[in-house]
Amino acid sequence: GAVVSQHPSWVICKSGTSVKIECRSLDFQATTMFWYRQFPKQSLMLMATSNEGSKATYEQGVEKDKFLINHASLTLSTLTVTSAHPEDSSFYICSARRRTGTSAGTSTDTQYFGPGTRLTVL
Amino acid sequence: DQQVKQNSPSLSVQEGRISILNCDYTNSMFDYFLWYKKYPAEGPTFLISISSIKDKNEDGRFTVFLNKSAKHLSLHIVPSQPGDSAVYFCAASATRGNEKLTFGTGTRLTIIP
Repeated sequence: GAVVSQHPSWVICKSGTSVKIECRSLDFQATTMFWYRQFPKQSLMLMATSNEGSKATYEQGVEKDKFLINHASLTLSTLTVTSAHPEDSSFYICSARRRTGTSAGTSTDTQYFGPGTRLTVL
Repeated sequence: DQQVKQNSPSLSVQEGRISILNCDYTNSMFDYFLWYKKYPAEGPTFLISISSIKDKNEDGRFTVFLNKSAKHLSLHIVPSQPGDSAVYFCAASATRGNEKLTFGTGTRLTIIP
């Protein structure tokens, strides 16, 4: 269980075009999904938190008009990179948060990640 | 300000031996900790987690230890296998995972056959 998919796995586009990346939770519902970006040899950088039915919450320094996020259902969030430029080339990863119970009776939330999307802007 | 630190960028361990990966944190509000394994050009895979109400959690070959007073956690893998070679990230969150994750910088583990 807890499978998260991303589509496409890689995309090459021309500068100035827009690219949409889909993130789906396949076997659970996720009211909250996250979008990350990873630069080579660096850790994951959280870009935004995607909430079903409401606006996304963006981290400081991330342009919300550049990176449009739509969380239309409990199993799908999309990230659209608008007017992409070469500096937007990166590895984009989504995660979906799933609530799990514990033996102590308290619940915890675990993020499960998609396989990532490699974006190359020419 | 790096709130979650993995001070060893790399670690090499002989196959069959124990691998110990360390992680330190500074934010006392963190109460839920996770370990992820990541291969190049793939998303992180969830391995194991621990809540601050426990000091140990075990799942097969993986055991996570939490020392709250030292703000330190470690992941033990025993016995280490060649397929364990990957980058390991520790992550922390507040309110039992309801808050966003803060990731460490990762440790590249290489298992030597």
